[in-house]
Amino acid sequence: QVQLKESGPGLVQPSQTLSLTCTVSGFSLTSYNVHWVRQPPGKGLEWMGRMRYNGDTSYNSALKSRLSISRDTSKNQVFLKMNSLQTDDTGTYYCTRDCGYTTDYWGQGVMVTVSS
Amino acid sequence: DIVMTQSPFSLAVSEGEMVTINCKSSQSLLSSGNQKNYLAWYQQKPGQSPKLLIYYASTRQSGVPDRFIGSGSGTDFTLTISDVQAEDLADYYCLQHYSSPYTFGAGTKLELK
Repeated sequence: QVQLKESGPGLVQPSQTLSLTCTVSGFSLTSYNVHWVRQPPGKGLEWMGRMRYNGDTSYNSALKSRLSISRDTSKNQVFLKMNSLQTDDTGTYYCTRDCGYTTDYWGQGVMVTVSS
Repeated sequence: DIVMTQSPFSLAVSEGEMVTINCKSSQSLLSSGNQKNYLAWYQQKPGQSPKLLIYYASTRQSGVPDRFIGSGSGTDFTLTISDVQAEDLADYYCLQHYSSPYTFGAGTKLELK
């Protein structure tokens, strides 16, 4: 069955770089796009960026200068890297599969706290 | 970027009532190619990941109760929940999937009156 699982450090220091991994199963990264979405505590969802099935990427305009999404298809993994972290980057980070007309399957999310 | 304006921010309801949540996009989400609106609705309960309810503005995802109804086209969309149940108390978000960068509405919190 389709599954996505986010992993990464729970705590990152301000000004440092966040590195997250989304490990997928039940579908191929060369057939489906994968998105990253985040949610600050008690706030709404924010679309961050997308890894397309062909390796192309697109990003939220507000995050573009700090964000990079890549993948390793042999390991079924999509990576998120975001630099210059600040406290307002604290939140839950999700990866989600794009079924062509929207995103259908979501990971459980990983909570990231930016604090010294 | 397409801006999604969702309203209301919160809604207090009693079980059995009908509620309406609105989402307005700054550009049309209607594809000329397939005449589909790339607008989806999600439900998120506390501590859980978002769950897809509606896609193409009005198509219910498999397993979603028929009391969830999506409507609208172009730039104006509505999620109607008829006969609200206690299990429907959650946050609801619209998402435009028409063009990148994709954008969510700000969310609507459905609470018990």
